[in-house]
Amino acid sequence: GQNIDQPTEMTATEGAIVQINCTYQTSGFNGLFWYQQHAGEAPTFLSYNVLDGLEEKGRFSSFLSRSKGYSYLLLKELQMKDSASYLCAVYSGAGSYQLTFGKGTKLSVIP
Amino acid sequence: KAGVTQTPRYLIKTRGQQVTLSCSPISGHRSVSWYQQTPGQGLQFLFEYFSETQRNKGNFPGRFSGRQFSNSRSEMNVSTLELGDSALYLCASSRTIGGRNTIYFGEGSWLTVV
Repeated sequence: GQNIDQPTEMTATEGAIVQINCTYQTSGFNGLFWYQQHAGEAPTFLSYNVLDGLEEKGRFSSFLSRSKGYSYLLLKELQMKDSASYLCAVYSGAGSYQLTFGKGTKLSVIP
Repeated sequence: KAGVTQTPRYLIKTRGQQVTLSCSPISGHRSVSWYQQTPGQGLQFLFEYFSETQRNKGNFPGRFSGRQFSNSRSEMNVSTLELGDSALYLCASSRTIGGRNTIYFGEGSWLTVV
């Protein structure tokens, strides 16, 4: 079966750092994606991790531990515009680009 | 470089009707996937097409169908619409470049069934 867990909601202060966790139990694993989705808009690509470790891209970093079935998205220097839902998605591979998504974490950034 | 284009963006249909949604992937991408997004269920995979062939299908009833054309454009169809089909339908365009998978989403089609 496929099970991907993320916290439902988080609140953080402008300028702070926030970590959004994602744990997964899937029948196959070939990578993990993080997407940002503002209300009423499409998901936009943030990161893709295949190997263990941390990948940094500007204010956003993503970490993966395949042995623990765990990933996190780290957002630094939070801005009001970072208020959005953050979606964790597992790519299982096996001849298809199908993604299995968590329910998403709604992040609210407050002044 | 043009992104993933979905049409129409918004539509309202009546129960029992059918609807067709269209997706044009990023140039060079041969894979198109469709997802349904609802507040309660999140993003759920409908099906994926690659080079005009359905490669994978999610757990949805047969009322949901799709196809892909030789230019990689894809359409999905929902027949005999039900109220529960009200959702955001998202199309994803995919390609593997240099061993890394790239999956990008279109703006989506908002379907309301009344």
